[in-house]
Amino acid sequence: GNSVTQMEGPVTLSEEAFLTINCTYTATGYPSLFWYVQYPGEGLQLLLKATKADDKGSNKGFEATYRKETTSFHLEKGSVQVSDSAVYFCALRTSQGGSEKLVFGKGTKLTVNP
Amino acid sequence: KAGVTQTPRYLIKTRGQQVTLSCSPISGHRSVSWYQQTPGQGLQFLFEYFSETQRNKGNFPGRFSGRQFSNSRSEMNVSTLELGDSALYLCASSLITNTGELFFGEGSRLTVL
Repeated sequence: GNSVTQMEGPVTLSEEAFLTINCTYTATGYPSLFWYVQYPGEGLQLLLKATKADDKGSNKGFEATYRKETTSFHLEKGSVQVSDSAVYFCALRTSQGGSEKLVFGKGTKLTVNP
Repeated sequence: KAGVTQTPRYLIKTRGQQVTLSCSPISGHRSVSWYQQTPGQGLQFLFEYFSETQRNKGNFPGRFSGRQFSNSRSEMNVSTLELGDSALYLCASSLITNTGELFFGEGSRLTVL
């Protein structure tokens, strides 16, 4: 079946440090890949997405590249800020009769200290 | 533009009771999905509705049910509550199907005692 594996957290960084959160997937067909972010006390928000191999999604300084050969979609940011503290979820969607079902990883909690 | 609204935000129930949670999607969104979020299992898909029809269902027991109304608002119901049903229940809506871009509400936090 389809699944997503994320690096376990929590991850603690100092402000301006480089961030990488690893994400690998298992899927049949050609999934679309997503990163969602959940700030404390809020619902999830779409951060970025990629719909085909070699696509790079980017938003708010975050980037992730869809790597089919390694089945990965690692999230990166060159310089994190305190406001980036949140839980990050990697997710995939496969085309199954038009369903919007997403399969999520377990999430990685990021804390950025000033 | 108003976001996805879920009510109630917090509720406490006892084992054996039932609960109904409500979700109002973003205006114009016709697809509504529900997810259960727990520390141990993470985010798990419950079901998805589009134009009042259930399009997909996750691996949850029959105690979990849902429906969607003609105005796209959705409700989910859990009967005969168990301690393990304590979770954050998230509703998400989307404008166009087949995109994977979901807009989530803040969730309804259910505690079962």
